[in-house]
Amino acid sequence: RKEVEQDPGPFNVPEGATVAFNCTYSNSASQSFFWYRQDCRKEPKLLMSVYSSGNEDGRFTAQLNRASQYISLLIRDSKLSDSATYLCAVEVPSSNTGKLIFGQGTTLQVKP
Amino acid sequence: NAGVTQTPKFRVLKTGQSMTLLCAQDMNHEYMYWYRQDPGMGLRLIHYSVGEGTTAKGEVPDGYNVSRLKKQNFLLGLESAAPSQTSVYFCASTPSGSESTGELFFGEGSRLTVL
Repeated sequence: RKEVEQDPGPFNVPEGATVAFNCTYSNSASQSFFWYRQDCRKEPKLLMSVYSSGNEDGRFTAQLNRASQYISLLIRDSKLSDSATYLCAVEVPSSNTGKLIFGQGTTLQVKP
Repeated sequence: NAGVTQTPKFRVLKTGQSMTLLCAQDMNHEYMYWYRQDPGMGLRLIHYSVGEGTTAKGEVPDGYNVSRLKKQNFLLGLESAAPSQTSVYFCASTPSGSESTGELFFGEGSRLTVL
């Protein structure tokens, strides 16, 4: 089993749709979780950190389910500009190195 | 503010040639990383450094060497390039300790093709 797994998609959705991605992780000791966005042929950029209580930033909501060991990203009212690859990342626990393990990414295509 | 800068951005090598990728950051970050990204594989950690003069192996270190002689620079070397090393290479950095938010700051990537 991979340490961090995502459904690669692609997810093809119409503008205005709500779409959700999940990401599972294998190490139950993991404490820090993140969602990154990567546009085609660009570098990944942090979209949002994932907190235990869940957090929201505009149309984006991230949640953590420790019992089932997954994090989720919900995008409401999808825009064409949301088309990108979304990478989940999990910090290697207790390493004090800042290392992140990334999932393979989920591709989102928002269609007009 | 340049952030993380990678050079070169593109390179084509023949099998067996050597080259060095340079990563420079101007944010005074302690930690630096080299990842490679291949289709369907996501980002995989090659080597990393937690400070000047220190390096450590990541998930896929074979065929690569690194050096961190100065805090702001992290070099990735390929001594004898192989076609399997065709990839996009990303350097990243992050602060340590109390300054850390966990966010990695990435360079724009270096596209390497080995023929």
